[in-house]
Amino acid sequence: NAGVTQTPKFQVLKTGQSMTLQCAQDMNHEYMSWYRQDPGMGLRLIHYSVGAGITDQGEVPNGYNVSRSTTEDFPLRLLSAAPSQTSVYFCASSLSGGGTDTQYFGPGTRLTVL
Amino acid sequence: AQSVTQPDIHITVSEGASLELRCNYSYGATPYLFWYVQSPGQGLQLLLKYFSGDTLVQGIKGFEAEFKRSQSSFNLRKPSVHWSDAAEYFCAVAPNSGYSTLTFGKGTMLLVSP
Repeated sequence: NAGVTQTPKFQVLKTGQSMTLQCAQDMNHEYMSWYRQDPGMGLRLIHYSVGAGITDQGEVPNGYNVSRSTTEDFPLRLLSAAPSQTSVYFCASSLSGGGTDTQYFGPGTRLTVL
Repeated sequence: AQSVTQPDIHITVSEGASLELRCNYSYGATPYLFWYVQSPGQGLQLLLKYFSGDTLVQGIKGFEAEFKRSQSSFNLRKPSVHWSDAAEYFCAVAPNSGYSTLTFGKGTMLLVSP
């Protein structure tokens, strides 16, 4: 198993540009989520999904869109990037999303918005 | 709302010395508790977790943590630190019902001196 994979590893955008951060898992996990990590802030939940076609907002959803058309993939879209979205983004997945499940994290995408 | 406090931003420990990283949480009921480690440029790896039962939990890499309900704490310990333990450590909580939406502390950076 490759586990949780994220692409790209690094990305530089200009303000106002759009892009999609890709996340995929091959563990047949129902639950997937996106976090952003900022210096001195820990990780904060952006959006999560409990299965194909079902998504919900986390703590910091503004400026981000998600959809989940397959079990394997959970892309994160920035429609109009802003410098405040400069961050490291982590995708995570777990079997069912229950509190006792282990969440597996991807290696992250480092995004810079100029 | 739930919150997690890691009062130490940085800690320096000599190799071979013992380690304790502090974590306090605020939550209406006893949440599920986790410690993750992040090596530079890497994703997060789960060290250990507490759901219920024995308040002293063992994890990987020789780490343990003790849950103290009266103090709302979940401190991480290791009897003898190795240079390879240098990393950032995150305490996290998740609700004990519903989906596992993790709330992270801001992290503690561990430096290991020779």
